[in-house]
Amino acid sequence: NAGVTQTPKFRVLKTGQSMTLLCAQDMNHEYMYWYRQDPGMGLRLIHYSVGEGTTAKGEVPDGYNVSRLKKQNFLLGLESAAPSQTSVYFCASSTGQPRQPQHFGDGTRLSIL
Amino acid sequence: AQSVTQLDSQVPVFEEAPVELRCNYSSSVSVYLFWYVQYPNQGLQLLLKYLSGSTLVESINGFEAEFNKSQTSFHLRKPSVHISDTAEYFCAVSLSGFQKLVFGTGTRLLVSP
Repeated sequence: NAGVTQTPKFRVLKTGQSMTLLCAQDMNHEYMYWYRQDPGMGLRLIHYSVGEGTTAKGEVPDGYNVSRLKKQNFLLGLESAAPSQTSVYFCASSTGQPRQPQHFGDGTRLSIL
Repeated sequence: AQSVTQLDSQVPVFEEAPVELRCNYSSSVSVYLFWYVQYPNQGLQLLLKYLSGSTLVESINGFEAEFNKSQTSFHLRKPSVHISDTAEYFCAVSLSGFQKLVFGTGTRLLVSP
């Protein structure tokens, strides 16, 4: 069972470069989320989606864009990477029902030099 | 707005000793409470959750947590830890009608022989 798959697992970028992180889920979940994890700060929500074609801002959206063209995929884009975006990025998905847990991918470790 | 406080960033214990990881939340409305565990280089996995009913909830690997409404706490306990319990533990809260999680900053449990 794949669950939530994130690609790539590691990436090093130079300041100003752009890239897209891909998240794919095979559980037919309506909701998908992008978080960043930084030491001592826990997980912070960047953007989320409540269904195909929808996106919404989370707690720390600046510098990121997202798209949900297909229900199973949720893309996170960095248009002009900055060192402050060095982090571990996690994608998650859920049914959207508050009683149900979110399912997480294994993360993408991104370093911006 | 909701918030979650995990006061202990790191808890070192010896194998077979008991452990308590503390979690306090603030919210003026009903909430659902979750504990997630993150093993090294992996994503978060649901450990246990409190939705309603019995205030004591248990996981399959011996952890338990007790919801205390008056103290707004949801502390995680295990009577005897194993080396394999070494991981980071995150407490999270969501409003009862909404599927966005607010995470604490995490507690790293270090179990040594």
